Amino acid sequence: KAGVTQTPRYLIKTRGQQVTLSCSPISGHRSVSWYQQTPGQGLQFLFEYFSETQRNKGNFPGRFSGRQFSNSRSEMNVSTLELGDSALYLCASRLALQPAPNEKLFFGSGTQLSVL
Amino acid sequence: KNEVEQSPQNLTAQEGEFITINCSYSVGISALHWLQQHPGGGIVSLFMLSSGKKKHGRLIATINIQEKHSSLHITASHPRDSAVYICARNAGGTSYGKLTFGQGTILTVHP
Repeated sequence: KAGVTQTPRYLIKTRGQQVTLSCSPISGHRSVSWYQQTPGQGLQFLFEYFSETQRNKGNFPGRFSGRQFSNSRSEMNVSTLELGDSALYLCASRLALQPAPNEKLFFGSGTQLSVL
Repeated sequence: KNEVEQSPQNLTAQEGEFITINCSYSVGISALHWLQQHPGGGIVSLFMLSSGKKKHGRLIATINIQEKHSSLHITASHPRDSAVYICARNAGGTSYGKLTFGQGTILTVHP
């Protein structure tokens, strides 16, 4: 079973540009969540999608947005990039929306975004 | 004060030692996750706990809901256990899935 796939692995952008990151969950998983990881702030929750609907959102500005397609693949978009957006962006998938006794989150390897 | 606090921030051990990493949270939870992150970024989910204790190999996770505290134990530690260990609180109800993370514990196990 293929794992969670994130593309691209590395990305370099300049301030003011926009970027789109992609996440393909494990086959059959319908929930995809996104996280930002920086040395200063650690891991922070961005948003979660389930069945093409955003279910939860973290405390990030509106420049951060996402969507989920009918095949559960998800994209996140950051518009008007700032230097502080440089981070590792991780996505994770899980089977269902509600908790299950042995639920596990499966993480992708992340996209390292550098904003110059 | 962060919602989720881990201690210690850094931990150095000799191979074979018993290791404990602690996680305290200030707001009620529906579940708590323990994650392992190796250099290079990959994160592996170790446990999800809502009560009691779970064990997998040399790893044991416990949670005390009343005290809002969880521990991750590693028995007979090995250099390959060197990684960052992160706990994450999972909010309940309609916010289930909205994780709040601790700052991580950097574990180094020397041979």
